[in-house]
Amino acid sequence: DGGITQSPKYLFRKEGQNVTLSCEQNLNHDAMYWYRQDPGQGLRLIYYSQIVNDFQKGDIAEGYSVSREKKESFPLTVTSAQKNPTAFYLCASFSDRVGELFFGEGSRLTVL
Amino acid sequence: QQQVKQSPQSLIVQKGGISIINCAYENTAFDYFPWYQQFPGKGPALLIAIRPDVSEKKEGRFTISFNKSAKQFSLHIMDSQPGDSATYFCAAFDQGAQKLVFGQGTRLTINP
Repeated sequence: DGGITQSPKYLFRKEGQNVTLSCEQNLNHDAMYWYRQDPGQGLRLIYYSQIVNDFQKGDIAEGYSVSREKKESFPLTVTSAQKNPTAFYLCASFSDRVGELFFGEGSRLTVL
Repeated sequence: QQQVKQSPQSLIVQKGGISIINCAYENTAFDYFPWYQQFPGKGPALLIAIRPDVSEKKEGRFTISFNKSAKQFSLHIMDSQPGDSATYFCAAFDQGAQKLVFGQGTRLTINP
């Protein structure tokens, strides 16, 4: 089945450690996005990529980094510079054809 | 900067009642307005969407009303059911920037 796969679903990290969240899609979509979800704040855009080897900062990019070496993959690294990394992270890809954003199941990161 | 403002933050409706969630925006570059439904621990899924050339769109029990001059749009859920209990997000797509901006979300609870 086509879709977006995020892993891991749950992740615990000690302060000062970098972690990388995986996002893979087999929908053949060009554009991919990373959102952060916190209670009462909706979904905030971290980074997005409209094409391979290109990406743009979203509204809350500080403390995060991404890469887009393949069309199917858009991993997000939460660095030690991110002051409050505990959150639910959502990856999405956009279908130009139907004008719809498709989301993965999310990754919940907890910093201990 | 919150480009899409959503209200209320939480809503409790009796089974069979009408649930109404409102959103307002400022950016006239937005040209696509979807609503997403999210169940706990899952990624959001597209519920219904509208483009600004129509004032209303209905799909089953779900209706979007759109007021372009007021820059407001709303979701109406008729005959609300306990299974509709979820968090709902309105969003607006900026065609120029190729990104979706979300409202803060509304946690809807339908009491049986």
